[in-house]
Amino acid sequence: AQSVTQLDSQVPVFEEAPVELRCNYSSSVSVYLFWYVQYPNQGLQLLLKYLSGSTLVESINGFEAEFNKSQTSFHLRKPSVHISDTAEYFCAVSETSGTYKYIFGTGTRLKVLA
Amino acid sequence: NAGVTQTPKFQVLKTGQSMTLQCAQDMNHEYMSWYRQDPGMGLRLIHYSVGAGITDQGEVPNGYNVSRSTTEDFPLRLLSAAPSQTSVYFCASAASGQPQHFGDGTRLSIL
Repeated sequence: AQSVTQLDSQVPVFEEAPVELRCNYSSSVSVYLFWYVQYPNQGLQLLLKYLSGSTLVESINGFEAEFNKSQTSFHLRKPSVHISDTAEYFCAVSETSGTYKYIFGTGTRLKVLA
Repeated sequence: NAGVTQTPKFQVLKTGQSMTLQCAQDMNHEYMSWYRQDPGMGLRLIHYSVGAGITDQGEVPNGYNVSRSTTEDFPLRLLSAAPSQTSVYFCASAASGQPQHFGDGTRLSIL
């Protein structure tokens, strides 16, 4: 069985400052990793994914995450945040074979302050 | 290109009533799933399906039924609504080995 831990339930940060949202996972098998973003009163949108290949993945709006197998982590980073990045961010893991089941973390609420 | 469509967007029920939350996708995805989202608990998997005619239980299946008669549709049935089922429900679909696409959610209140 897999599990996902997002240690920070809320992260306040000033605009243009860097941010890191932490995600650690536990699994006995190979996994895919995902970050989703949820804006208020909306559904979840895929931010970025690690399926295979390069361990550093990037999104089109400046976020990046690095898959670290030894530390079982997939932390999300952005060097300079904007007010519009205020949202809730969810890390998710699934096995690379079989069931397609996702296990989600409990989410991190990012609040960007002016 | 509708993606994943959930209806209704909002619903209020009385305890003991039954209802069906609808989910349809037009991407020919084999995998579909239902989650509920509660404050501080993230998303928890209720039921999922890996293809037409195949369903299985997730983490929190009690009080819910599903069926998958077609590739496109995956309805979620509440058999006898309880206040503990007040939540936001999300449907998602995916192709093999690809990320899940989510609908906009159904906000359900049980009085």
